[in-house]
Amino acid sequence: QKEVEQDPGPLSVPEGAIVSLNCTYSNSAFQYFMWYRQYSRKGPELLMYTYSSGNKEDGRFTAQVDKSSKYISLFIRDSQPSDSATYLCAFREEGAQKLVFGQGTRLTINP
Amino acid sequence: GAVVSQHPSRVICKSGTSVKIECRSLDFQATTMFWYRQFPKQSLMLMATSNEGSKATYEQGVEKDKFLINHASLTLSTLTVTSAHPEDSSFYICSARGRGRDEQYFGPGTRLTVT
Repeated sequence: QKEVEQDPGPLSVPEGAIVSLNCTYSNSAFQYFMWYRQYSRKGPELLMYTYSSGNKEDGRFTAQVDKSSKYISLFIRDSQPSDSATYLCAFREEGAQKLVFGQGTRLTINP
Repeated sequence: GAVVSQHPSRVICKSGTSVKIECRSLDFQATTMFWYRQFPKQSLMLMATSNEGSKATYEQGVEKDKFLINHASLTLSTLTVTSAHPEDSSFYICSARGRGRDEQYFGPGTRLTVT
């Protein structure tokens, strides 16, 4: 079983739709949960960072963590063409330095 | 805040030569810096972790004599690809983490092409 599972897509939705991106993980030692957005030929940009179960909202983005199910989600409301990118989930254990990444989901928002 | 820069953004070099890539944290002190490699349509692969003033810790399978990492100051880390070969062509990305902070911020990446 992979440590992190993320559907690579591609995922294509119309502008204005609500997008749901998900990752599952098997390592119960993960305590920090992140979502990064990566545009083509650019470095990843940190979108959301959380360390507890529950929801965290920032503008059109909501990150959801369910530690009991080992499942995290990123919701994008009122999606825009500029949201078209690859979204990577990332995890870190307490006291560890390195991140464990998902494969990334390629998202396209169609005007 | 939390801006990380990389230089150059792209470089083309001949096989057998060495290339140096710089990574700088512009508005914070980076106690830990990371170097990643990314192939097209794939996720990031961690190459090494470096703490300021210490030797880098390389991931399994990464040749430390080929990929020289120096983290001489709290704002600068360098990756030198020695005796580059075409198979070293890739997208190299650094990231940095500040003192007492959990978040890791990435640079814009450097595209290396070895001919």
